[in-house]
Amino acid sequence: EAGVTQFPSHSVIEKGQTVTLRCDPISGHDNLYWYRRVMGKEIKFLLHFVKESKQDESGMPNNRFLAERTGGTYSTLKVQPAELEDSGVYFCASSQVGIHGYTFGSGTRLTVV
Amino acid sequence: KNQVEQSPQSLIILEGKNCTLQCNYTVSPFSNLRWYKQDTGRGPVSLTIMTFSENTKSNGRYTATLDADTKQSSLHITASQLSDSASYICVVSATGGNNRLAFGKGNQVVVIP
Repeated sequence: EAGVTQFPSHSVIEKGQTVTLRCDPISGHDNLYWYRRVMGKEIKFLLHFVKESKQDESGMPNNRFLAERTGGTYSTLKVQPAELEDSGVYFCASSQVGIHGYTFGSGTRLTVV
Repeated sequence: KNQVEQSPQSLIILEGKNCTLQCNYTVSPFSNLRWYKQDTGRGPVSLTIMTFSENTKSNGRYTATLDADTKQSSLHITASQLSDSASYICVVSATGGNNRLAFGKGNQVVVIP
């Protein structure tokens, strides 16, 4: 079974630019989560999709972040315009509905310079 | 203040030795507690998951304990191997919510020969 795949693995962009991160969950997993870890801090929740619907987006830091999951398959997280404090590792995780186990992707390390 | 606190922040142990990592949490109402292992450059991988009624669970050389009354958990690594060098993250989930997870900052373990 393929795991959770994230693209790109690393991204370095300048302040003010736009970046789009992608997450391909495990096939059949309706739950998809985005998390972020900034340096020196714990991993924090960003948002949760159930299929294509946003179940909870209360962790999104501000309106420069836009997440989509069209068709309920892969998801994208766009940061526009990026700021220095957006630097960190963005993790995606997926799970089946009603199942506690989560599978995490390897993350995308975003550096804004 | 983070809802999940881990100690020690980091430790170095000799190959073959045992070590114990601690996790204290304030998440309520409690649903389950998980320990994840995160290798450098990879996403977190689940080691154990325990619900309220479970007080110990093993996965190979990893043994997790849970005291839901004192809201404490530990992860014991037996006969450490070089491949055990990683960050070990304690993650707690609350009931009745939106499946959001609260993460500790992790215990950074380095096993040396």
